[in-house]
Amino acid sequence: DTEVTQTPKHLVMGMTNKKSLKCEQHMGHRAMYWYKQKAKKPPELMFVYSYEKLSINESVPSRFSPECPNSSLLNLHLHALQPEDSALYLCASSPTQGTTEAFFGQGTRLTVV
Amino acid sequence: GQQVMQIPQYQHVQEGEDFTTYCNSSTTLSNIQWYKQRPGGHPVFLIQLVKSGEVKKQKRLTFQFGEAKKNSSLHITATQTTDVGTYFCAENNAGNMLTFGGGTRLMVKP
Repeated sequence: DTEVTQTPKHLVMGMTNKKSLKCEQHMGHRAMYWYKQKAKKPPELMFVYSYEKLSINESVPSRFSPECPNSSLLNLHLHALQPEDSALYLCASSPTQGTTEAFFGQGTRLTVV
Repeated sequence: GQQVMQIPQYQHVQEGEDFTTYCNSSTTLSNIQWYKQRPGGHPVFLIQLVKSGEVKKQKRLTFQFGEAKKNSSLHITATQTTDVGTYFCAENNAGNMLTFGGGTRLMVKP
C-alpha cells in the first residue's frame, strides 16, 4: 500500500461550522504533513508531525488545529473558518522527517461559505 | 526566507515539441526535488537531485542540477498529451520542509 488517503474529497462548510479533515497512510511513515494549496499556486506547508509529535507549525491561525492520534492517522480540525481559507488541503507523508520524497494524498477541496 | 523562482509560469507546446522548465535560487540549495501535478490532481514525486552537476534521466525526462547548486532544470523531449500538468521544483530543506517553486503549467496541443 503506497497510498495516502484523505477524506472527504470535497467539503463545503459555513463560517460557524466545525469540521475535520482526515488523512491515513499504512506505509509505516513516521512524518506527516498538512499543506494548503490555492488555485494556480504551489502547496504551502502548514504543519509537520514527526513520530506523532508536532514539530513545525508555520504560523497557522488557531482556527486550524492539527491532531495525530497515531502513526497512521492525521487530522485537521477546522473551526470558524473564513472564505479565504477555501483551498485544496493536501496531506503528505515520508518515512521520517528530513528524508527523501513526500507522498501526497489526493487532497480535500474545501469551500467556506 | 529561501525562495525558489521557477520559469516560465506557463508553456503551450505542440505535441512532439520539447519543453524545459527552470528553477533558480539566490542561495545554494541542499537538494532539489521535482513533482508533477495533473489538473485536478495532487503532486507526485518525480526525482531528487543532490550532487553538484547531477544529471538524471527518466525516459523522455532529463533533470539537471547546476554546478553551483543554485539552479535546476527539467527537460521533456517530444512532449505527449499525457505530459500535461504543472511541474514544481522544491527544495527539501531541514526537517523535510518542502519549499516549492511557483510551478510551470504545461499545456500540450495534440
